[in-house]
Formats: sequence, C-alpha cells, structure tokens
Amino acid sequence: LAKTTQPISMDSYEGQEVNITCSHNNIATNDYITWYQQFPSQGPRFIIQGYKTKVTNEVASLFIPADRKSSTLSLPRVSLSDTAVYYCLVGDNAGNMLTFGGGTRLMVKP
Amino acid sequence: NAGVTQTPKFRVLKTGQSMTLLCAQDMNHEYMYWYRQDPGMGLRLIHYSVGEGTTAKGEVPDGYNVSRLKKQNFLLGLESAAPSQTSVYFCASSLGLTNYEQYFGPGTRLTVT
Repeated sequence: LAKTTQPISMDSYEGQEVNITCSHNNIATNDYITWYQQFPSQGPRFIIQGYKTKVTNEVASLFIPADRKSSTLSLPRVSLSDTAVYYCLVGDNAGNMLTFGGGTRLMVKP
Repeated sequence: NAGVTQTPKFRVLKTGQSMTLLCAQDMNHEYMYWYRQDPGMGLRLIHYSVGEGTTAKGEVPDGYNVSRLKKQNFLLGLESAAPSQTSVYFCASSLGLTNYEQYFGPGTRLTVT
C-alpha cells in the first residue's frame, strides 16, 4: 500500500506559480500518480496523471523524478478560483486500496 | 450526459436505522467506488466494484454493504446506522484497468443522530 505525504496547506498570490510536492516513498512498479482537485461541497475532480518524467495538460504539469518517490504538481499563474484542496493519489490500475491522503489546502490570495 | 449522480443529496438517520445510497453513471464505466469523507479529512475507500456482479472491500468497509446488480448502478447500504457513520459519501466511476481517471458524483451528506 503506497502511502502519500503532502503539505497540509499552502498560501499563494494570484498570478504566481504554485508547486505542490507529494512524497510516496514505497510506490510500486505498477503505480501511477494522479492528482485531484476538490472544492468545498463537491466531489474531487481529476487534474493530471503520470507515471514518470513530465506530463503537461492545459491546466497543470506533473514532474516525476527518476526514482518516482515523489512528484510535484505545478499550477501556472494561479487565480482565486484555484483555491481548493489538492490530493495526490498513488495506486495501481487494479484499483486496490486507493488512498487519497489528507490533501493540501491551497489558498490563493488577491 | 449526466455523468455520476447520487441519490439522495441529504439524509438524517437515527441510530439503528437502515438506508441505501444509490449511485448511477451513464458513461459505461466498469469500475465504481464508494468513499466517505469526514470533515477536514481526505477520502477513504469503503468498497469498490470492478464490474457488474462483483464487489470488493476497501479501506473502511465495516458497517457497509454494497451491490452492483447493473453495470450503471452501485448501491451502498447501511444496515444499522451509527453516529460514527456521519459523513459525506462520494461515489465515483472509471473506465477500468488502463484509465485511472475517476469521475465523482456530487456527494450525499448523511447525519446519524
């Protein structure tokens, strides 16, 4: 069971780049790394997923070093609407024991 | 295309009562999941299903039962509700083995008094 560790909270300002790091020291060979965003009173929403190196989509980038023991979610030029909880999820494609962890509460200030 | 829907949105139960939460998805997904989220905490997996007629235990299965009689529906049952089951329950679905993105429903807020 791969356990993840993230900072409990982070503050940023509008227009800045935000990097949230997740540690997953015992990640298994088959595990993918997935990040979700959750607003209050809503279900989580998929942001990005990766296995190694770098993945980029229209909202974020995901950086994964060679040892895959950590990953960094990068949000470019955040806005107030990016204020949310961000979860790092590590698990295999068999859906075994999915662990969201506590998440990182990001507060974006004007 | 409604995605993932949950019924009901809110419910108040007394200790010992039973109820069933319904999750429905219209994306033809094989995998479905039930999570609970306590205030200020992350999501914890209760049960999940890898296909019609199959279910499996997650991290916190005690006190809950599930059924997946139809591919599009995943039911979560509480046979004898306890105050410790007061939580927000989220259902999710995904395509399956090679697509890990989960689509979540809006949640059901359950209070057990």
